[in-house]
Parts: sequence; structure tokens; C-alpha cells
Amino acid sequence: NAGVTQTPKFRVLKTGQSMTLLCAQDMNHEYMYWYRQDPGMGLRLIHYSVGEGTTAKGEVPDGYNVSRLKKQNFLLGLESAAPSQTSVYFCASTDRVEGGNQPQHFGDGTRLSIL
Amino acid sequence: GNSVTQMEGPVTLSEEAFLTINCTYTATGYPSLFWYVQYPGEGLQLLLKATKADDKGSNKGFEATYRKETTSFHLEKGSVQVSDSAVYFCALSDQYTGGFKTIFGAGTRLFVKA
Repeated sequence: NAGVTQTPKFRVLKTGQSMTLLCAQDMNHEYMYWYRQDPGMGLRLIHYSVGEGTTAKGEVPDGYNVSRLKKQNFLLGLESAAPSQTSVYFCASTDRVEGGNQPQHFGDGTRLSIL
Repeated sequence: GNSVTQMEGPVTLSEEAFLTINCTYTATGYPSLFWYVQYPGEGLQLLLKATKADDKGSNKGFEATYRKETTSFHLEKGSVQVSDSAVYFCALSDQYTGGFKTIFGAGTRLFVKA
């Protein structure tokens, strides 16, 4: 009964380094999302995907790239990490149902610090 | 564009006190409305939802009613417990070309004292 699993849970990077955050869901959901959560700013959407092989930009996409090669996985990449990308990153998924009344299912987050 | 506004926190209450967290929204259509809760070190999880006007969502003693006339979805609980200490997010499901996205409020932190 895993739901949405994010790896790693914690990571410290130096400015300029690159890394990939992995999100995996076992609920056969069509939609997947990446958010960042910063104090006092709630959740901000970085990128999202409406199905395997598709990706789209969210509210704050700059400095990030994503890929959805398999339906169950959604990867978030930082090409050249910057201190402004220090944040907690959450992945979420939801089923595709007409009316948009399905909730999102969240992972437990990845705490990323950029020094 | 569509948006969600919720009361700023933190909210500090004593155990067994009555809780209200205000949430109002702006939307052009008829969105579904949600309350999510986030406990320390965890991701958000659905607390309750309402999908049409006058619907009441409820769970674990929490309630919220979809009020279209006031564009509100206030969260209430009659008697809070220490274990309710968490951050609460109001959200709406917004339709766009190609599907739906969720718009979240900024979150309201609740502290409950024993």
C-alpha cells in the first residue's frame, strides 16, 4: 500500500551540482505533479504531466526539467542547483475523472538544501 | 485567474476549543473544493472535500460547507485535540484546457495546547 513514494528524502547539494528527484506511484494515476513548498508561500506548482510521455510547465518551472517516460514515474531534474532552490519538494498524483473532483495523493517530500 | 485565500496563522487554541479556519475562493466555473492537512514531516493528505454548492464535507470531526453565494469553504471543528496540530490547506480543483489542476491556499498552522 505504498501510494506515492519519493526518493531521496533528504539531500544536500553544492551550488552548480545537478540531481534528479524520483517520484513513483502505484495507483495507475494519469496525472502527476511536482510542487515546492517554502515557508509562508504554500505549495507552488513546478511542472506536471497529464499522461505518459507528456509534461507541461507550472507556476515556477525555471531551473527545473521533468520527464515521464513511464506512467508510474515522474522525474524532476535540477541541472545546475542554486541556493534559491532550497526547499521541500512534493510529488503528487491523481486519477483522471471528469469533473476534477478527485483529490491529489502526496508523497512525504524531499528536503533539498543547496549550499 | 482562480485563487484561494485562507486566514493567516498561526492559530493557537486550547484543547476542546472550537476551531474555524476561513477560506474563500475565486473561480469562474464550478470547482471542487478540498481541505488538506499536513502533519510535521509528512506530505499533504486529504481531510475532506465537496464537489457542488451546499455540499458538506466531513471527516474526523471536521466539517466544511461549499457556499457558492459567499464563495467560501470554512473549516470547522467543535472540539480540537492536541493531535489536530498541523497545517491546513484549502484548495480548489481548477479546469484548464486538457485537464484539471489544484490551486492551494497558503496554509494555516494550528497549534493546540493541552
